Amino acid sequence: GAGVSQSPSNKVTEKGKDVELRCDPISGHTALYWYRQRLGQGLEFLIYFQGNSAPDKSGLPSDRFSAERTGESVSTLTIQRTQQEDSAVYLCASSLHRRGATNEQFFGPGTRLTVL
Amino acid sequence: AQKVTQAQTEISVVEKEDVTLDCVYETRDTTYYLFWYKQPPSGELVFLIRRNSFDEQNEISGRYSWNFQKSTSSFNFTITASQVVDSAVYFCALRQETSGSRLTFGEGTQLTVNP
Repeated sequence: GAGVSQSPSNKVTEKGKDVELRCDPISGHTALYWYRQRLGQGLEFLIYFQGNSAPDKSGLPSDRFSAERTGESVSTLTIQRTQQEDSAVYLCASSLHRRGATNEQFFGPGTRLTVL
Repeated sequence: AQKVTQAQTEISVVEKEDVTLDCVYETRDTTYYLFWYKQPPSGELVFLIRRNSFDEQNEISGRYSWNFQKSTSSFNFTITASQVVDSAVYFCALRQETSGSRLTFGEGTQLTVNP
């Protein structure tokens, strides 16, 4: 498909386990973003990639959270030693990053993470 | 600091009514961008509109219209003749020029359109 895809769509894990969430952006989009959406709330920014670099990772809530991007394409968000408060939908978005372009962010369907 | 406030948590209307969703923002930047996104029950966010801070012209797209007023820091969204398919959570978002590409979202407004 042509849109942003994320996997898995749902993940249930036990407290203390590590999880990896994957994002495949729209082909050619150089910018990639991760957001977290807790139940009934708005989206919280986590991290932004331009190419394979992360110039803004200020939204990562703790050092248990990390992310990487390779090949200016796929990104993986890793949460170590998961806690119950990590339960949320994790959304990935991508955009072009061209001067003069609208650069709107296109979102994937999200990964619903449940930590028991 | 940047902040987006959507004071209406939930709105319920009957089909064919007009409805306005409020959005108030805070920013110290003179260059910024405002967005509206729709999140239907399926969960995927759908981009609706982007405005930059230098363009205060109101915009109409079919049944949707947006009223941007810098004097009151508001960017309100009106749906005319609402339909059941408009039922969704609507998010207003802000991007500051000095904050790079991150979006700051409001808490969202749950709109329910009843037949």
